Amino acid sequence: GENVEQHPSTLSVQEGDSAVIKCTYSDSASNYFPWYKQELGKGPQLIIDIRSNVGEKKDQRIAVTLNKTAKHFSLHITETQPEDSAVYFCAAHPTGYSTLTFGKGTMLLVSP
Amino acid sequence: DAGVTQSPTHLIKTRGQQVTLRCSPKSGHDTVSWYQQALGQGPQFIFQYYEEEERQRGNFPDRFSGHQFPNYSSELNVNALLLGDSALYLCASSFGDNEKLFFGSGTQLSVL
Repeated sequence: GENVEQHPSTLSVQEGDSAVIKCTYSDSASNYFPWYKQELGKGPQLIIDIRSNVGEKKDQRIAVTLNKTAKHFSLHITETQPEDSAVYFCAAHPTGYSTLTFGKGTMLLVSP
Repeated sequence: DAGVTQSPTHLIKTRGQQVTLRCSPKSGHDTVSWYQQALGQGPQFIFQYYEEEERQRGNFPDRFSGHQFPNYSSELNVNALLLGDSALYLCASSFGDNEKLFFGSGTQLSVL
């Protein structure tokens, strides 16, 4: 089955800095890669996603890049703000399966 | 437009007991997936229901069972509870084969 590795496990940045979280996947048949943000006491919230036929996607301060050859994808957050502090999860959706495989998460702390 | 709702929010049980968790999907969604999230980990797929049938199952024992009703709401049942079943149980809904999952806030289950 699919295996998703996520790094780093924790990331501390100053407000205004950029943050990058990286994930690798094992199943070359995976074709959909979402990123979720989970705040304390809440469920994961979808913040951005990318499909395998696209290399990069941007939505205001967040962007995701995908390298199919290397089987890795990354989340980029620019101009970080304290409210960006949360746990971020990457996930992969293998073709033929109807569910997602998640990474173990990255705790992002943005200090004022 | 109500999102995914789960009940109860918190639950405390003792070893050997049985528990039932409930989920109502986002309006317009017909597919419900259940995930288990242990502390500090990413969500792990339990099973998915579509058209009142279990469509796919993760690596969980038969103690975990579910049901989907004609109105698309769903239940997760866990029998013979173990201490290791303590976790946040997340319900996610989607439409048909669409990969985008929308999560509820979860039920925090503690087994003593």
